[in-house]
Amino acid sequence: AQKITQTQPGMFVQEKEAVTLDCTYDTSDQSYGLFWYKQPSSGEMIFLIYQGSYDEQNATEGRYSLNFQKARKSANLVISASQLGDSAMYFCAMREGSPSLGGYALNFGKGTSLLVTP
Amino acid sequence: DVKVTQSSRYLVKRTGEKVFLECVQDMDHENMFWYRQDPGLGLRLIYFSYDVKMKEKGDIPEGYSVSREKKERFSLILESASTNQTSMYLCASSFASAAPNEQFFGPGTRLTVL
Repeated sequence: AQKITQTQPGMFVQEKEAVTLDCTYDTSDQSYGLFWYKQPSSGEMIFLIYQGSYDEQNATEGRYSLNFQKARKSANLVISASQLGDSAMYFCAMREGSPSLGGYALNFGKGTSLLVTP
Repeated sequence: DVKVTQSSRYLVKRTGEKVFLECVQDMDHENMFWYRQDPGLGLRLIYFSYDVKMKEKGDIPEGYSVSREKKERFSLILESASTNQTSMYLCASSFASAAPNEQFFGPGTRLTVL
């Protein structure tokens, strides 16, 4: 079964507007972490933001925020004030289990392609 | 600054060849990973390693093997390359215990098997 679901293959947003990229996840673990990565056309994967399952506050990093709704198992990425350079693929990912035990890989969603228009 | 390097950005091989993809990280990370990325499928984990000489199968290990003889280096081996292994291969590394222990990625190797 798919552990990470990103239902939007492609999204458009106008420059300076906010955009929400959806991500739902499936796990029975109590301890897990949720990540968002950006992949521009150059191909490198860039880590954007992290939310731990026990974190009570939504994570924020500059223009990125993570709308974490634990009961709904969703971890949507919100990009405020979009810029042309935000055009890229965005991947949601989950790590199950505690990081202190080491060795845990990420499950990635299939990604959302975001295009920011002038 | 964490640096993960991969031996080639682009590689073209013939069916049946043995292919080595090398990955080196310079941050003393315990964990290293190999993914393949295909359009519409996202990233899929091939193998990972949490220590020298240790390896674990990921979701799609068939047709691949790995080697980790030194902490900083993780190699992916295609024993007999096939056309369905044409893909983008991404290496990543992370700390084992420091949350959020995000993975740092290399630039990727685009492999074409003819």
